[in-house]
Amino acid sequence: GQSLEQPSEVTAVEGAIVQINCTYQTSGFYGLSWYQQHDGGAPTFLSYNALDGLEETGRFSSFLSRSDSYGYLLLQELQMKDSASYFCAVRVGETTDSWGKLQFGAGTQVVVTP
Amino acid sequence: IAGITQAPTSQILAAGRRMTLRCTQDMRHNAMYWYRQDLGLGLRLIHYSNTAGTTGKGEVPDGYSVSRANTDDFPLTLASAVPSQTSVYFCASSESPSGEQFFGPGTRLTVL
Repeated sequence: GQSLEQPSEVTAVEGAIVQINCTYQTSGFYGLSWYQQHDGGAPTFLSYNALDGLEETGRFSSFLSRSDSYGYLLLQELQMKDSASYFCAVRVGETTDSWGKLQFGAGTQVVVTP
Repeated sequence: IAGITQAPTSQILAAGRRMTLRCTQDMRHNAMYWYRQDLGLGLRLIHYSNTAGTTGKGEVPDGYSVSRANTDDFPLTLASAVPSQTSVYFCASSESPSGEQFFGPGTRLTVL
């Protein structure tokens, strides 16, 4: 079967750095996405890694190692507004389905304290 | 409108009733998706459509049906609601095959 593992909660202070790890077991892997969701809100896209390596977007960076079935999201210079749930999602599909579909992890609650 | 709209925002429904959740996007995206989100389980894909006229089953399709008559609309129907379908339902769309999807604001559904 397919599975994704990520920590359930991480707590850090403002200005700190947080790394959220995501390991996956899946077939037909195309890439790894990260989404942010504030309480009661819609998930919003943060990043997508299809190839190995680090992608940087402002204070957030995402990393993928396909050989290790592992990725992480790095949140730097934490701000109070970063308190939210963060989901990793694998894009998977069959060779006949080039679009693929997203399968989400259970999410990591990031709590930022003053 | 801009983006994805969903209706209703919330609904309380008696078990056994039929219900259609509406989703409309104005971005002309080819692909659309329906997810349900339950506490501690993340988002699970119910049904999807890669283009108008085609649909497919996701992880948890039982008890739900969809149609995609045009690019903009992707309604989700519960033929006979059951309490286990109590959840928050999100509609999403994507322009191209990638990991980026745009989500609507969600519909909170309670089945009693």
